Amino acid sequence: GESVGLHLPTLSVQEGDNSIINCAYSNSASDYFIWYKQESGKGPQFIIDIRSNMDKRQGQRVTVLLNKTVKHLSLQIAATQPGDSAVYFCAESVGGNTPLVFGKGTRLSVIA
Amino acid sequence: NAGVTQTPKFRILKIGQSMTLQCTQDMNHNYMYWYRQDPGMGLKLIYYSVGAGITDKGEVPNGYNVSRSTTEDFPLRLELAAPSQTSVYFCASRQSGRGTDTQYFGPGTRLTVL
Repeated sequence: GESVGLHLPTLSVQEGDNSIINCAYSNSASDYFIWYKQESGKGPQFIIDIRSNMDKRQGQRVTVLLNKTVKHLSLQIAATQPGDSAVYFCAESVGGNTPLVFGKGTRLSVIA
Repeated sequence: NAGVTQTPKFRILKIGQSMTLQCTQDMNHNYMYWYRQDPGMGLKLIYYSVGAGITDKGEVPNGYNVSRSTTEDFPLRLELAAPSQTSVYFCASRQSGRGTDTQYFGPGTRLTVL
């Protein structure tokens, strides 16, 4: 989930388990959604994206699910590894030249 | 390709000083963006540009200026630095056109105003 303030919500998972990171988006007109991974001291890195005409998209070890009815987006990471530890941001866009709008972020901590 | 590059990596300014954060991309992307990220927070859009000679305000433009004289460069200018501008600044770019919404980010500039 999302929260406002200095402390990001944190998800702690055991190495090898699956992780699910959730995001509630705000604009029902958004038609493009994207997940970014941000490691400490680095810029956001693209993970996976999805358009509103889809409800699921899979990549390598990652799956994004989109539920437009409740405006909810989730990122699933299979067999979570220590290298997956980072802050994960969802972002949405209504398309065209409209910039992405970012969510607050969730910190994923992998316990070895 | 180097992608999106930003200079400097770190900078400390005194209140009232000015500086320019540089951003360059070599992917021939039309769209470029400046975001700021405060500790433990998400990214807030400062300014963006959809092409050379065109700039638009984002969510938090006050205290900043931009220019876009070339496709490659999108510098961000702080004229009178204030402590509230202490943040990490990220530049991003993307290609225009349908199906190319992915934004690619630079490594960031960490700015402290004392």
